[in-house]
Amino acid sequence: DVKVTQSSRYLVKRTGEKVFLECVQDMDHENMFWYRQDPGLGLRLIYFSYDVKMKEKGDIPEGYSVSREKKERFSLILESASTNQTSMYLCASSLSTASGRTDTQYFGPGTRLTVL
Amino acid sequence: AQKVTQAQTEISVVEKEDVTLDCVYETRDTTYYLFWYKQPPSGELVFLIRRNSFDEQNEISGRYSWNFQKSTSSFNFTITASQVVDSAVYFCALSGTLASGGSYIPTFGRGTSLIVHP
Repeated sequence: DVKVTQSSRYLVKRTGEKVFLECVQDMDHENMFWYRQDPGLGLRLIYFSYDVKMKEKGDIPEGYSVSREKKERFSLILESASTNQTSMYLCASSLSTASGRTDTQYFGPGTRLTVL
Repeated sequence: AQKVTQAQTEISVVEKEDVTLDCVYETRDTTYYLFWYKQPPSGELVFLIRRNSFDEQNEISGRYSWNFQKSTSSFNFTITASQVVDSAVYFCALSGTLASGGSYIPTFGRGTSLIVHP
């Protein structure tokens, strides 16, 4: 079974703090993704990575950065947390298909971040 | 650009009713995958099914069935004899939109919240 784990289920931080969200997958997947989920807006892609040290911006990268130093680990960094970054953050991983299109994504349990 | 539309924001049914969740997609690709995911109240998205664009066969898995029609660009999901445990948000997704770096990014619909009342 593919397993994707996230470092925290719930996190409370203060405005201006630097926040690290960690994601680890155990299935040797090339692709890893960070999404945020807000009511009525569905899943919005923040960043994704298709290989170690490689990353691409998603739909809403502003205010976030990422790091992928090892294949199994993908970190999301909020350089200076703000209240509008209060949200549910979901990590996912997937293989790439021969066509380059994303295969099935496997999701972690999510981190509910509150910024006060 | 690719697009996935789940027009039903919320559906409410009573247990044992059948319910269909609609998914309409737009793509110029000839090769693509379609997915359905379930997000129960616990929050973790769970993979339900993947369909290859070349395979239009409908699929049945227990009480779940999927109807893929390329002619109407739809990939609808039906739950037969719904149960309270089916209450969740269901997402339809398409792979993928070509990003600037040459990788493909999956496209998700906004989800349909299904509430099954006892």
